Amino acid sequence: EPEVTQTPSHQVTQMGQEVILRCVPISNHLYFYWYRQILGQKVEFLVSFYNNEISEKSEIFDDQFSVERPDGSNFTLKIRSTKLEDSAMYFCASSEGMTGSSGYTFGSGTRLTVV
Amino acid sequence: KQEVTQIPAALSVPEGENLVLNCSFTDSAIYNLQWFRQDPGKGLTSLLLIQSSQREQTSGRLNASLDKSSGRSTLYIAASQPGDSATYLCAAPSGYGNKLVFGAGTILRVKS
Repeated sequence: EPEVTQTPSHQVTQMGQEVILRCVPISNHLYFYWYRQILGQKVEFLVSFYNNEISEKSEIFDDQFSVERPDGSNFTLKIRSTKLEDSAMYFCASSEGMTGSSGYTFGSGTRLTVV
Repeated sequence: KQEVTQIPAALSVPEGENLVLNCSFTDSAIYNLQWFRQDPGKGLTSLLLIQSSQREQTSGRLNASLDKSSGRSTLYIAASQPGDSATYLCAAPSGYGNKLVFGAGTILRVKS
């Protein structure tokens, strides 16, 4: 079964450093997403991406965040200057259509720890 | 604005019991609803996707129902096993948009 692949699985970074989280969505999917889950809290939406541009973003997704599809397969989330409160599990997801008519497939996540 | 609530927050049952997990959502203008399983510290595994045109969807011992008019979905697990122990998450799209809104989950523990 097709998978969404995320790397790295765990990243530790110092406060103020930049991090890039990487994702390879399912190849025939057109919509890509990032979600995050702070320990013990709900999974929350960050951003959706379609046709090489952001289609929707949450209030969490401020100027320190950016997304990019640098080539035909990768989808990245960059955090410019990490804060302690950015520590969370970050999930990438993809869907075939806009309304997720075939559902959303999530990756196994990147655990980001900011120290 | 879509809000998703799951009841109960936690459930502990002996092996073999049938159980029901509940999910309610505030905006019924949805195309579908999805149930996920999350093991501690792990990713989200899709269990069932129910389209708005369906009332039920089954996969093995799992059965999910959807009632848009009342804003409710239930996940029924038959003959529970210790391997079913995990957090079960319900997620509904934000109206006709393409982002998912998650509930806080039901933490299930099945005792052997």
